[in-house]
Amino acid sequence: GIQVEQSPPDLILQEGANSTLRCNFSDSVNNLQWFHQNPWGQLINLFYIPSGTKQNGRLSATTVATERYSLLYISSSQTTDSGVYFCAVGAYSGAGSYQLTFGKGTKLSVIP
Amino acid sequence: DSGVTQTPKHLITATGQRVTLRCSPRSGDLSVYWYQQSLDQGLQFLIQYYNGEERAKGNILERFSAQQFPDLHSELNLSSLELGDSALYFCASSADRAGDEAFFGQGTRLTVV
Repeated sequence: GIQVEQSPPDLILQEGANSTLRCNFSDSVNNLQWFHQNPWGQLINLFYIPSGTKQNGRLSATTVATERYSLLYISSSQTTDSGVYFCAVGAYSGAGSYQLTFGKGTKLSVIP
Repeated sequence: DSGVTQTPKHLITATGQRVTLRCSPRSGDLSVYWYQQSLDQGLQFLIQYYNGEERAKGNILERFSAQQFPDLHSELNLSSLELGDSALYFCASSADRAGDEAFFGQGTRLTVV
């Protein structure tokens, strides 16, 4: 099946700093989503971005499908940005079934 | 609020028991997905249903089963529970079979003692 790798695995930032999270995937995809899992375990949709660039406030994301990677930018980080950021890609397996496969996540800690 | 509802939020049960987790998808969504999140395995895809039919199977144990009902809600049944089944179980829904944005419920935290 498709492989999804996220980097870095852990990131500690001072409040106000900027960061870039990366997601590499091993094959063509139909869907790519970024999620934020907050300390209560809730998975919050950040971006649905199979290709191109999107922005939402202090967050933006870019997916370059031809080169099989996506980037999530967080600017002017706040303590509420802490949590785990997941990249998930949707693709058809060899057997013809569709799956949304998650990376292992980047754990972000923003300190005051 | 994602619009996906999961019940219960928390569940504590003993080894060997059977539990049922319930999921109501967003209004209009036909696809339902189940995921298991444990500390050592990350988010693992279990199974997908589309409009009442099973469409894809992931790493789902034989002790686990699921179904999607005519009103599109879904249930995940876990039987002969083991300590290792303790995890956060998520349900997600999307509009169509593949490629559409998926939205996740708040999860059911299962603790097997």
